[in-house]
Amino acid sequence: SYELTQPPSVSVSPGQTARITCFGDALPKQYADWYQQKPGQAPVMLIYRDRERPSGIPERFSGSSSGTTITLTISGVQAEDEADYYCQSADSSGTWVFGGGTKLTVL
Amino acid sequence: QVQLVESGGGVVQRGGSLRLSCAASGFTFGSYGMHWVRQAPGKGLEWVAFIRYDAGNRYYADSVRGRFTISRDTSRNTLYLQMNSLRPEDTAVYYCARNSWFSDYYYMDVWGKGTTVTVSS
Repeated sequence: SYELTQPPSVSVSPGQTARITCFGDALPKQYADWYQQKPGQAPVMLIYRDRERPSGIPERFSGSSSGTTITLTISGVQAEDEADYYCQSADSSGTWVFGGGTKLTVL
Repeated sequence: QVQLVESGGGVVQRGGSLRLSCAASGFTFGSYGMHWVRQAPGKGLEWVAFIRYDAGNRYYADSVRGRFTISRDTSRNTLYLQMNSLRPEDTAVYYCARNSWFSDYYYMDVWGKGTTVTVSS
Protein backbone atom coordinates (compact mmCIF):
# COMPACT_ATOMS: atom_id res chain seq x y z
CA SER A 1 0.00 0.00 0.00
CA TYR A 2 1.04 3.59 -0.59
CA GLU A 3 2.80 5.16 2.43
CA LEU A 4 4.19 8.57 3.29
CA THR A 5 6.76 8.90 6.09
CA GLN A 6 7.39 12.05 8.13
CA PRO A 7 9.62 12.70 11.15
CA PRO A 8 7.47 12.77 14.32
CA SER A 9 8.90 16.08 15.50
CA VAL A 10 10.98 19.07 14.47
CA SER A 11 12.16 21.84 16.77
CA VAL A 12 13.36 25.29 15.79
CA SER A 13 14.00 28.65 17.43
CA PRO A 14 11.99 31.73 16.41
CA GLY A 15 13.35 33.41 13.30
CA GLN A 16 15.14 30.30 12.09
CA THR A 17 14.20 28.06 9.17
CA ALA A 18 12.28 24.83 9.71
CA ARG A 19 12.32 22.02 7.18
CA ILE A 20 9.83 19.17 7.37
CA THR A 21 10.34 16.22 5.06
CA CYS A 22 7.99 13.59 3.67
CA PHE A 23 9.23 10.41 2.05
CA GLY A 24 7.30 8.18 -0.34
CA ASP A 25 8.30 5.74 -3.07
CA ALA A 26 5.65 7.09 -5.41
CA LEU A 27 6.50 10.76 -4.94
CA PRO A 28 8.68 10.92 -8.07
CA LYS A 29 5.47 10.21 -10.02
CA GLN A 30 2.84 11.87 -7.82
CA TYR A 31 2.45 15.41 -6.57
CA ALA A 32 1.79 16.07 -2.89
CA ASP A 33 0.25 18.66 -0.59
CA TRP A 34 0.92 20.05 2.87
CA TYR A 35 -1.56 20.88 5.64
CA GLN A 36 -1.18 22.68 8.95
CA GLN A 37 -3.30 21.73 11.94
CA LYS A 38 -3.33 23.61 15.22
CA PRO A 39 -4.77 22.00 18.38
CA GLY A 40 -8.53 21.71 18.31
CA GLN A 41 -8.78 23.12 14.79
CA ALA A 42 -9.40 21.72 11.32
CA PRO A 43 -6.48 21.29 8.91
CA VAL A 44 -5.58 24.20 6.66
CA MET A 45 -4.02 23.77 3.22
CA LEU A 46 -0.57 25.32 2.99
CA ILE A 47 0.94 23.96 -0.23
CA TYR A 48 -0.51 21.96 -3.13
CA ARG A 49 1.08 20.28 -6.12
CA ASP A 50 4.45 20.16 -4.32
CA ARG A 51 5.12 23.89 -4.38
CA GLU A 52 2.00 25.94 -5.15
CA ARG A 53 0.82 28.25 -2.37
CA PRO A 54 -2.89 29.19 -2.10
CA SER A 55 -3.80 32.81 -1.72
CA GLY A 56 -3.72 33.94 1.89
CA ILE A 57 -0.87 31.65 2.91
CA PRO A 58 2.20 33.63 4.04
CA GLU A 59 5.21 33.59 1.72
CA ARG A 60 7.39 32.11 4.47
CA PHE A 61 5.77 28.75 3.68
CA SER A 62 7.23 27.03 0.61
CA GLY A 63 7.40 23.55 -0.83
CA SER A 64 9.93 21.64 -2.89
CA SER A 65 10.49 18.12 -4.14
CA SER A 66 13.43 15.93 -5.04
CA GLY A 67 13.01 12.31 -6.01
CA THR A 68 11.23 10.39 -3.27
CA THR A 69 11.17 13.32 -0.83
CA ILE A 70 9.12 16.48 -0.61
CA THR A 71 9.99 19.26 1.81
CA LEU A 72 7.98 21.97 3.53
CA THR A 73 10.17 24.94 4.40
CA ILE A 74 9.10 27.59 6.89
CA SER A 75 11.40 30.60 6.75
CA GLY A 76 11.59 32.96 9.70
CA VAL A 77 9.54 30.69 11.96
CA GLN A 78 7.10 32.46 14.26
CA ALA A 79 5.55 31.23 17.50
CA GLU A 80 2.19 30.95 15.76
CA ASP A 81 3.66 28.34 13.39
CA GLU A 82 3.76 25.79 16.19
CA ALA A 83 1.40 23.09 14.93
CA ASP A 84 1.16 19.65 13.37
CA TYR A 85 2.02 19.40 9.69
CA TYR A 86 0.84 16.66 7.34
CA CYS A 87 1.89 15.73 3.82
CA GLN A 88 -0.70 14.08 1.58
CA SER A 89 -0.73 12.47 -1.83
CA ALA A 90 -2.89 10.23 -3.97
CA ASP A 91 -2.19 7.23 -6.11
CA SER A 92 -3.73 6.54 -9.49
CA SER A 93 -6.21 3.97 -8.16
CA GLY A 94 -8.29 6.37 -6.11
CA THR A 95 -6.56 6.20 -2.75
CA TRP A 96 -5.53 9.31 -0.83
CA VAL A 97 -2.84 8.97 1.83
CA PHE A 98 -1.59 11.23 4.63
CA GLY A 99 1.79 11.11 6.26
CA GLY A 100 1.86 10.43 9.98
CA GLY A 101 2.32 14.10 10.79
CA THR A 102 5.17 16.19 12.20
CA LYS A 103 4.85 18.25 15.35
CA LEU A 104 6.70 21.54 14.95
CA THR A 105 7.88 22.99 18.24
CA VAL A 106 9.03 26.60 18.35
CA LEU A 107 11.55 26.81 21.18
CA GLN B 1 -17.87 32.78 1.96
CA VAL B 2 -17.03 29.16 1.22
CA GLN B 3 -18.13 27.04 4.15
CA LEU B 4 -18.54 23.38 5.09
CA VAL B 5 -20.44 22.44 8.24
CA GLU B 6 -20.54 18.85 9.48
CA SER B 7 -23.23 17.42 11.72
CA GLY B 8 -24.65 14.09 12.86
CA GLY B 9 -21.87 12.93 15.15
CA GLY B 10 -22.59 11.36 18.52
CA VAL B 11 -22.15 8.33 20.73
CA VAL B 12 -23.15 4.94 19.35
CA GLN B 13 -22.60 1.37 20.46
CA ARG B 14 -20.41 -1.12 18.66
CA GLY B 15 -22.27 -2.49 15.65
CA GLY B 16 -24.52 0.53 15.40
CA SER B 17 -25.06 3.04 12.60
CA LEU B 18 -24.77 6.77 12.15
CA ARG B 19 -25.20 9.17 9.25
CA LEU B 20 -23.01 12.24 9.01
CA SER B 21 -23.93 15.30 6.96
CA CYS B 22 -21.82 18.09 5.52
CA ALA B 23 -23.69 21.24 4.46
CA ALA B 24 -21.89 23.27 1.80
CA SER B 25 -22.37 26.95 1.06
CA GLY B 26 -20.64 29.78 -0.79
CA PHE B 27 -19.74 27.75 -3.87
CA THR B 28 -21.32 25.60 -6.61
CA PHE B 29 -21.46 22.32 -4.71
CA GLY B 30 -22.36 20.29 -7.79
CA SER B 31 -19.09 21.18 -9.50
CA TYR B 32 -16.78 19.71 -6.86
CA GLY B 33 -15.77 16.28 -5.68
CA MET B 34 -15.85 15.84 -1.91
CA HIS B 35 -13.91 13.87 0.71
CA TRP B 36 -14.41 12.59 4.22
CA VAL B 37 -11.28 12.51 6.39
CA ARG B 38 -11.12 11.41 10.02
CA GLN B 39 -8.79 11.84 12.97
CA ALA B 40 -8.80 9.46 15.93
CA PRO B 41 -8.04 11.00 19.34
CA GLY B 42 -4.37 11.97 19.50
CA LYS B 43 -3.68 10.47 16.07
CA GLY B 44 -3.03 11.71 12.56
CA LEU B 45 -5.33 12.32 9.62
CA GLU B 46 -6.83 9.36 7.78
CA TRP B 47 -8.60 9.67 4.44
CA VAL B 48 -11.95 7.84 4.51
CA ALA B 49 -13.87 8.31 1.26
CA PHE B 50 -14.25 10.39 -1.90
CA ILE B 51 -17.17 11.05 -4.23
CA ARG B 52 -16.85 12.65 -7.66
CA TYR B 53 -18.74 15.85 -8.44
CA ASP B 54 -21.45 13.90 -10.30
CA ALA B 55 -21.36 10.87 -7.94
CA GLY B 56 -20.05 8.88 -10.90
CA ASN B 57 -17.13 7.47 -8.92
CA ARG B 58 -16.74 6.69 -5.24
CA TYR B 59 -13.60 5.49 -3.48
CA TYR B 60 -13.07 4.17 0.03
CA ALA B 61 -10.22 3.43 2.39
CA ASP B 62 -9.72 -0.28 3.02
CA SER B 63 -10.60 0.25 6.69
CA VAL B 64 -14.18 1.32 5.88
CA ARG B 65 -14.99 -0.30 2.54
CA GLY B 66 -18.17 -2.34 2.77
CA ARG B 67 -19.31 -0.58 5.97
CA PHE B 68 -19.41 3.11 5.00
CA THR B 69 -21.20 4.74 2.05
CA ILE B 70 -20.51 8.24 0.75
CA SER B 71 -23.29 10.04 -1.10
CA ARG B 72 -24.41 13.53 -2.02
CA ASP B 73 -27.58 15.50 -2.69
CA THR B 74 -26.80 18.42 -4.97
CA SER B 75 -30.31 19.86 -4.57
CA ARG B 76 -29.61 20.21 -0.85
CA ASN B 77 -25.90 21.11 -1.22
CA THR B 78 -25.15 18.30 1.20
CA LEU B 79 -22.62 15.50 1.45
CA TYR B 80 -23.33 12.38 3.53
CA LEU B 81 -21.47 9.52 5.11
CA GLN B 82 -23.57 6.53 6.14
CA MET B 83 -21.62 4.50 8.67
CA ASN B 84 -22.76 0.97 9.51
CA SER B 85 -21.29 -1.83 11.63
CA LEU B 86 -19.36 0.73 13.64
CA ARG B 87 -16.33 -0.33 15.63
CA PRO B 88 -14.49 1.35 18.52
CA GLU B 89 -11.61 2.10 16.13
CA ASP B 90 -13.99 4.30 14.09
CA THR B 91 -14.01 6.76 17.00
CA ALA B 92 -12.73 10.03 15.55
CA VAL B 93 -13.45 13.56 14.47
CA TYR B 94 -14.84 13.36 10.94
CA TYR B 95 -14.09 16.22 8.53
CA CYS B 96 -15.52 16.88 5.10
CA ALA B 97 -13.24 18.57 2.58
CA ARG B 98 -13.75 20.06 -0.87
CA ASN B 99 -11.75 18.64 -3.76
CA SER B 100 -10.59 21.60 -5.79
CA TRP B 101 -8.36 21.68 -8.85
CA PHE B 102 -5.45 23.49 -10.48
CA SER B 103 -4.78 22.58 -14.09
CA ASP B 104 -5.14 18.79 -14.01
CA TYR B 105 -4.30 18.45 -10.33
CA TYR B 106 -6.83 17.95 -7.53
CA TYR B 107 -6.43 18.83 -3.86
CA MET B 108 -8.42 19.36 -0.64
CA ASP B 109 -8.63 23.11 -0.32
CA VAL B 110 -11.49 23.77 2.13
CA TRP B 111 -12.29 21.82 5.29
CA GLY B 112 -15.15 21.87 7.76
CA LYS B 113 -14.62 22.04 11.51
CA GLY B 114 -15.54 18.41 12.00
CA THR B 115 -18.07 16.33 13.93
CA THR B 116 -17.15 13.82 16.63
CA VAL B 117 -18.13 10.16 16.50
CA THR B 118 -17.62 7.95 19.54
CA VAL B 119 -18.20 4.20 19.32
CA SER B 120 -18.49 2.52 22.69
CA SER B 121 -17.63 -1.10 23.24
